[in-house]
Amino acid sequence: SQTIHQWPATLVQPVGSPLSLECTVEGTSNPNLYWYRQAAGRGLQLLFYSVGIGQISSEVPQNLSASRPQDRQFILSSKKLLLSDSGFYLCAWSVVPLSYTFGSGTRLTVV
Amino acid sequence: DQQVKQNSPSLSVQEGRISILNCDYTNSMFDYFLWYKKYPAEGPTFLISISSIKDKNEDGRFTVFLNKSAKHLSLHIVPSQPGDSAVYFCAVYMNRDDKIIFGKGTRLHILP
Repeated sequence: SQTIHQWPATLVQPVGSPLSLECTVEGTSNPNLYWYRQAAGRGLQLLFYSVGIGQISSEVPQNLSASRPQDRQFILSSKKLLLSDSGFYLCAWSVVPLSYTFGSGTRLTVV
Repeated sequence: DQQVKQNSPSLSVQEGRISILNCDYTNSMFDYFLWYKKYPAEGPTFLISISSIKDKNEDGRFTVFLNKSAKHLSLHIVPSQPGDSAVYFCAVYMNRDDKIIFGKGTRLHILP
């Protein structure tokens, strides 16, 4: 069966520290992968999406970057976190148009 | 520039009554319209969708209505149940882009 793993579930990081959130998918090949962020009052905002290894599209300019080193691995990173990076980060995958499956999310608090 | 607008941040409905969640969009080129449901500390889960060529889609207690001339869609839940308390996201999809764009969400409270 197809599953998506996202970790950690919660994270508290100081301003200026680096960030690495990982998402892996099992049971499927060549999925489209997405990073979304839910910030207070902002809804679900698409940050990055990837249609293949090494292919990353950024939706909004920001302090974050994404990488896809393997087919089923999607990493969200930052070199120096800002307070405004706090939020609930969600990874999602799809192999069929419209059919998105979301991970359980990471609650990031930057202090 | 919001392409999907959910103007009601929250809504409270008595158990057993009808819940109506509303959504407006700006681009007439969207191919599909979707509703997702989200519980706290969980990822959103797909609820129901409608193609741009239809005006109504029904699935059990959930019905989505699409008014293309008004660029408006709504989700009806009847009868409302306690487990329906969650945040509901309206979303749009364009085949060309293969991306889902979400609104800000509406928090639904079902009152006993």
